[in-house]
Amino acid sequence: KAGVTQTPRYLIKTRGQQVTLSCSPISGHRSVSWYQQTPGQGLQFLFEYFSETQRNKGNFPGRFSGRQFSNSRSEMNVSTLELGDSALYLCASSAGTGVEAFFGQGTRLTVV
Amino acid sequence: QKEVEQNSGPLSVPEGAIASLNCTYSDRVSQSFFWYRQYSGKSPELIMSIYSNGDKEDGRFTAQLNKASQYVSLLIRDSQPSDSATYLCAVLMYSGGGADGLTFGKGTHLIIQP
Repeated sequence: KAGVTQTPRYLIKTRGQQVTLSCSPISGHRSVSWYQQTPGQGLQFLFEYFSETQRNKGNFPGRFSGRQFSNSRSEMNVSTLELGDSALYLCASSAGTGVEAFFGQGTRLTVV
Repeated sequence: QKEVEQNSGPLSVPEGAIASLNCTYSDRVSQSFFWYRQYSGKSPELIMSIYSNGDKEDGRFTAQLNKASQYVSLLIRDSQPSDSATYLCAVLMYSGGGADGLTFGKGTHLIIQP
């Protein structure tokens, strides 16, 4: 059974640019959550999608957005990148809210 | 502010001993609790989930939950050097709009000494 796949694994972007990250969940899982991990703040919840609908959202600015497609694949977009957006972005796949979630390998974003 | 608190460590434990990792959380209505292991440079890996008060055992790992005390712990028996990692406690928090997604502690850095 394939795990959670995130692409790309590494990205280097310039301040002001935008970026799109992709996540393919475990087959059969309809919930995809996104998290940002930094050394200072740890793992922080960005948002969760279930059956193409955003269920809830963390405390991040509107520059962070996402969507989910009918095949449960999800994308996360960050616009007008700032240096502070440099982080490991993790996608978690689960069958639903409140049950076990499995992480992908993450996308390491560096903003210069 | 809903929080999950963990001792950052490092927690140093001799090989073969029991490692005890602790976590407290602030949301009284939380129902879902998870422990993840994260090796340096890698993504978190789910070790245990626990939803009811009491103990849950899986191999060398035991999760313990006490909702009245808002406390969850992870015991690792017969600790091995490969258990050296950062252990993250995660709790599903709730607000007026429903579940907020997992709230993570900052993690405990565990070192198993050969």
